[in-house]
Amino acid sequence: AQTVTQSQPEMSVQEAETVTLSCTYDTSESDYYLFWYKQPPSRQMILVIRQEAYKQQNATENRFSVNFQKAAKSFSLKISDSQLGDAAMYFCAYRSPYLQGGSEKLVFGKGTKLTVNP
Amino acid sequence: KAGVTQTPRYLIKTRGQQVTLSCSPISGHRSVSWYQQTPGQGLQFLFEYFSETQRNKGNFPGRFSGRQFSNSRSEMNVSTLELGDSALYLCASSLGTIVGGAHEQYFGPGTRLTVT
Repeated sequence: AQTVTQSQPEMSVQEAETVTLSCTYDTSESDYYLFWYKQPPSRQMILVIRQEAYKQQNATENRFSVNFQKAAKSFSLKISDSQLGDAAMYFCAYRSPYLQGGSEKLVFGKGTKLTVNP
Repeated sequence: KAGVTQTPRYLIKTRGQQVTLSCSPISGHRSVSWYQQTPGQGLQFLFEYFSETQRNKGNFPGRFSGRQFSNSRSEMNVSTLELGDSALYLCASSLGTIVGGAHEQYFGPGTRLTVT
């Protein structure tokens, strides 16, 4: 079974600076999907960024980018020019494309609480 | 387009009771997944429905059950509640087509269940 590990329970960053959140995963599959989700204090989880394992190019979405190291099974999230609104729990998630029936089950890490200091 | 809605948002129940939570997916979405979120265990997958059929199930006891209706709305039921069932229950919907790809999953605000 796949596992996802986020080794940083909490992180903090100064407004306008850059922070990197770490995520490692364990899988024997060669193809899969990785996601970073953000859960603000209001609790609505939203997708920040996604990466397909077959793509070598790292995904970027505005101020958010990932460093995907497939051999190392590492998937870190970099937030540039941090804003107060970035404060939230961030979850790394794994999805297998091989589950029976096309299941979209996500396996989540335990999360990293990001604090943005003004 | 309206987002995923979950009702009720907050619920307090007593040990031994049962509870039913509801999830209305985004219009046109056919897949609904349920997750339990607790401080200790994090986010754990409960089950997933697609076109009224359960297509995946997590490692939870049989007290946890669910179903999906023809309009894609889903309910989950927990019978004989235990203190450990206190959690935030999240549902997520997606287009959920069977043929490959990874559609984005949209999460609802959750139902906060407290068991006393």
